[in-house]
Amino acid sequence: AQKVTQAQTEISVVEKEDVTLDCVYETRDTTYYLFWYKQPPSGELVFLIRRNSFDEQNEISGRYSWNFQKSTSSFNFTITASQVVDSAVYFCALSFNDYKLSFGAGTTVTVRA
Amino acid sequence: DSGVTQTPKHLITATGQRVTLRCSPRSGDLSVYWYQQSLDQGLQFLIQYYNGEERAKGNILERFSAQQFPDLHSELNLSSLELGDSALYFCASSGGGENEQFFGPGTRLTVL
Repeated sequence: AQKVTQAQTEISVVEKEDVTLDCVYETRDTTYYLFWYKQPPSGELVFLIRRNSFDEQNEISGRYSWNFQKSTSSFNFTITASQVVDSAVYFCALSFNDYKLSFGAGTTVTVRA
Repeated sequence: DSGVTQTPKHLITATGQRVTLRCSPRSGDLSVYWYQQSLDQGLQFLIQYYNGEERAKGNILERFSAQQFPDLHSELNLSSLELGDSALYFCASSGGGENEQFFGPGTRLTVL
């Protein structure tokens, strides 16, 4: 069975602080795919990043960075120098050969000016 | 803008009624997925279609059904509606396989 755990329910920071969102997953498959999605107050789900289980290379994209560690089954996401527009619910998701997404419960990030 | 369109944006109806939600995928995407987002269940996968054929089913109730048409748009039919069906229903599309899914803006269903 697949399971995604986002232990942090809410995070509140002041603008320009860094925010790290934790995601821990469970799967017995060796091939799987990990995703982060953002849901701003307007409600739509915005794709941020996808990682394959065989690609542990971490990445930085602008103010976003990701840390994928198979050894600890974690796929953490960091926002550097947060801005008010980063306020949203962030979802970690997992899929494997059937490609349906299993989402975590989400972490609500509030960035205060 | 993800390129996925969903109509209507909001839907208010009464218990026992039937509604149809519509989704048009991104140009070229053959896969369509439906998800339900509710406060108590979170984001849950309902069903997937690929090029007109059902590919995978999640926790979709028997009162719910879906189909994908030859032009690749999809419809989700919800019948005998209950209060607990009130939720945000998302459609997503992808090029297939492990590719990322792009979500539409959602349809907010309120059952009174």
